[in-house]
Order: sequence, then structure tokens, then C-alpha cells
Amino acid sequence: DTGVSQDPRHKITKRGQNVTFRCDPISEHNRLYWYRQTLGQGPEFLTYFQNEAQLEKSRLLSDRFSAERPKGSFSTLEIQRTEQGDSAMYLCASSFRTGGDYGYTFGSGTRLTVV
Amino acid sequence: GESVGLHLPTLSVQEGDNSIINCAYSNSASDYFIWYKQESGKGPQFIIDIRSNMDKRQGQRVTVLLNKTVKHLSLQIAATQPGDSAVYFCAENIGAQKLVFGQGTRLTINP
Repeated sequence: DTGVSQDPRHKITKRGQNVTFRCDPISEHNRLYWYRQTLGQGPEFLTYFQNEAQLEKSRLLSDRFSAERPKGSFSTLEIQRTEQGDSAMYLCASSFRTGGDYGYTFGSGTRLTVV
Repeated sequence: GESVGLHLPTLSVQEGDNSIINCAYSNSASDYFIWYKQESGKGPQFIIDIRSNMDKRQGQRVTVLLNKTVKHLSLQIAATQPGDSAVYFCAENIGAQKLVFGQGTRLTINP
């Protein structure tokens, strides 16, 4: 396993279109997180899963955003009716919580540009 | 509210010198902190972490210091190399569920 994989690396879409991103975590990690990062800022938490259960969603995650992790492995993040303000880097991370050792590992991200 | 911030947005050091990047946090209940390095177009890369029951931890060329009294975290990089040029973030683990990141410090290594 080479780490957290995200696909696609880049996505350009027209305003109003729907987009879906995929994240494949490190296989033994049971937690998966989505973050959003805008230029010059640190990543901001969006949501996280423990196995297939979505346990927390940030206020940043509007109704147009939905995330799933159906089998507790890979996850998808969908944005409906994209807006220019959605342009950002979407980062996925995974971790394995055991004995307090979290092991957060980030993927390389999907850069979304809404035109 | 919860926040993690950095004192300096940019830092330039000469190659071979040591660098120190600082971070302030506000949540005294946080028990775990991580430093990440992020290069252009890439995701954050784990550098080193520290738990609140420690005040110092060393890695390869890096040392993290934690001062819980003043809620301050620092990252020391020894003998900086050109490859150390990047943006560095400290992150605070909130309730073992998510990370809160600061704005970042851009470190530039001058030849």
C-alpha cells in the first residue's frame, strides 16, 4: 500500500455541474477524513467516517455536499450544483486509531476549479 | 473558540542554518499535535507529532517542543536543506476526531 490515493488530481467544471471525487485510504485505516484547503490557508475539516459510519460533518458541508463510504473502504465526495466558491483543493486523510496512535496520512488532493 | 495559529507567515534561512517555526494554540484540552510539511501541489506530509504528556520529541533533523503553560508549539529543523523549502502547518487534534490547522508558515531556504 503506497498511501492515500485521490482521483482525479485535477477537475475543471462549469458552474452548476455536479462533480464526484474518490479517495482510497490506507487499507488498514478505519478512519477517513475529508478536508478542504483554499489558497494560502490551512486545511479545514469537512467530515469523517469511522468504517462506514459518517460520524461528524462540519458546518462547511452544505446541503450540496455529500460524502459516502459504503463498504468502509474507499469514499466519495460529491458536490452538486457547483459554485465558484467551491474552487479549492479537496484533501482526504486516513488514520488508524489504536492505543492513541492516530497516524494521520493525507493524500495529494483533488484540485477543483469551477469556471 | 478553537484555533491554531502561527506567529510568522514567512521565514527565510540560509542553507545549513537551523530554523524554528512557531505555533500558538488556544484549546488547552488538546492532547495531540502534529507538524505537517506541504509542498506546492501536494497534500500535507507528516513530519512529527507530540502528545500533551511530553514537552519534547525528536526526529531526524527535526525537534518539536510543546509548552502547555503558554500553549505554544515549535518545530526546529536542523541543518536546513533546499528540500526543506515548503509551507509548514501545525495541527491540533480535537477530540481525537479531526485536526484544526493554522494558516501555515512558508519556509524558504536560501543557497
